[in-house]
Amino acid sequence: AQSVAQPEDQVNVAEGNPLTVKCTYSVSGNPYLFWYVQYPNRGLQFLLKYITGDNLVKGSYGFEAEFNKSQTSFHLKKPSALVSDSALYFCAVRDLNQGGKLIFGQGTELSVKP
Amino acid sequence: EADIYQTPRYLVIGTGKKITLECSQTMGHDKMYWYQQDPGMELHLIHYSYGVNSTEKGDLSSESTVSRIRTEHFPLTLESARPSHTSQYLCASSEWDRISEQYFGPGTRLTVT
Repeated sequence: AQSVAQPEDQVNVAEGNPLTVKCTYSVSGNPYLFWYVQYPNRGLQFLLKYITGDNLVKGSYGFEAEFNKSQTSFHLKKPSALVSDSALYFCAVRDLNQGGKLIFGQGTELSVKP
Repeated sequence: EADIYQTPRYLVIGTGKKITLECSQTMGHDKMYWYQQDPGMELHLIHYSYGVNSTEKGDLSSESTVSRIRTEHFPLTLESARPSHTSQYLCASSEWDRISEQYFGPGTRLTVT
């Protein structure tokens, strides 16, 4: 069965510092990986995805993610955090069954302090 | 901003009432999904659709039903609401291919008293 794990419930970063939100996956076959962000009382917003090709994927709002096949990881990164980046972040893998549903990690609460 | 809409955004309703959560998208997507987000914030698929007249149950056991009479519309109905249905409900849509991202609506926060 396909699964995704986000080992940290919360990540705290000072504004201006680099941030990393961790994600590991377990899939059979090629993984289709996604990152989403959720602000309070809002739906999920798509940030970026890895399908194939370059292991470093660039997305919205200055975020990027590094796909590492040997470590089965897909960590989300940003060189310089902003207070407005504070939100809930979800890593997901696309399941090829059930209509291509997304299987989500548990979510990581990112808090960026001034 | 994705063109997918959900109404109502917030709903407080008494036990036993019938409710319908609306979801519409203007992107012409064939695939649509309903996810339930529990208080711990995990998301679980409860229903999905491949297109008009297609509805399927997801992973999470749910007493809700869905319909897909038009491509753009994917309403979710609870025949008899219970406190255990209190949750956030998120609708999503995507293009047909397996690599496309899903676009999410703003969600409906349902409270059953």
